[in-house]
Amino acid sequence: QSVLTQPPSASGTPGQRVTISCSGSGSNIESNTVSWYHHLPGTAPKLLIYSNNQRPSGVPDRFSGSKSGTSASLAISGLQSEDEADYYCAAWDDSLNGPVFGTGTKVTVL
Amino acid sequence: EVQLVQSGAEVKKPGESLRISCKGSGYSFTSHWISWVRQMPGKGLEWMGRIDPSDSYTNYSPSFRGHVTISADKSISTAYLQWSSLKASDTAMYYCARRREPIDYWGQGTLVTVSS
Repeated sequence: QSVLTQPPSASGTPGQRVTISCSGSGSNIESNTVSWYHHLPGTAPKLLIYSNNQRPSGVPDRFSGSKSGTSASLAISGLQSEDEADYYCAAWDDSLNGPVFGTGTKVTVL
Repeated sequence: EVQLVQSGAEVKKPGESLRISCKGSGYSFTSHWISWVRQMPGKGLEWMGRIDPSDSYTNYSPSFRGHVTISADKSISTAYLQWSSLKASDTAMYYCARRREPIDYWGQGTLVTVSS
């Protein structure tokens, strides 16, 4: 069961900015850092953001992350067709002693 | 290049046993945890449990404890997820993933279909 809540969908036209929210609780987001993943079903998810707002090498700076309290968000600026995918947030959960994931957001480029 | 390569898709009947694998390469296999993550059809990602390949210490999500077993053979850099008695509800894509936090690399997934 997903513990972090995300909107099921988000959309925008090419070039627009899209923001995805991720809501958790004191045992996960508030106490630990947040990561974000890009996922095309049937393929390996890809790490986009870690430690709330850090990008791994190779991830474009169009992707940015932030965190405040028990919530986090991912912003995609300059939306491109290849950004169509599912996006998941994740955070370590101190109660589970493992990571918890968001419910997932499907981004559509109109 | 870090890679996690998983075994191929499986079709099984309820009650059968199964073991799927995840082979790591491009890094020191014993340096990072391997987790297993389930994705049921049309659903999100669920952490099942993890193993520390250096000492085979495991811990499981309460949702999966007792139903699956995670193991590893560090001599061949491979982690395993196994079931002794599959159920139809085990039909899902299963991913292995590296590191405690953040998970940085994932396998390509193994589709397990359980149907009579």
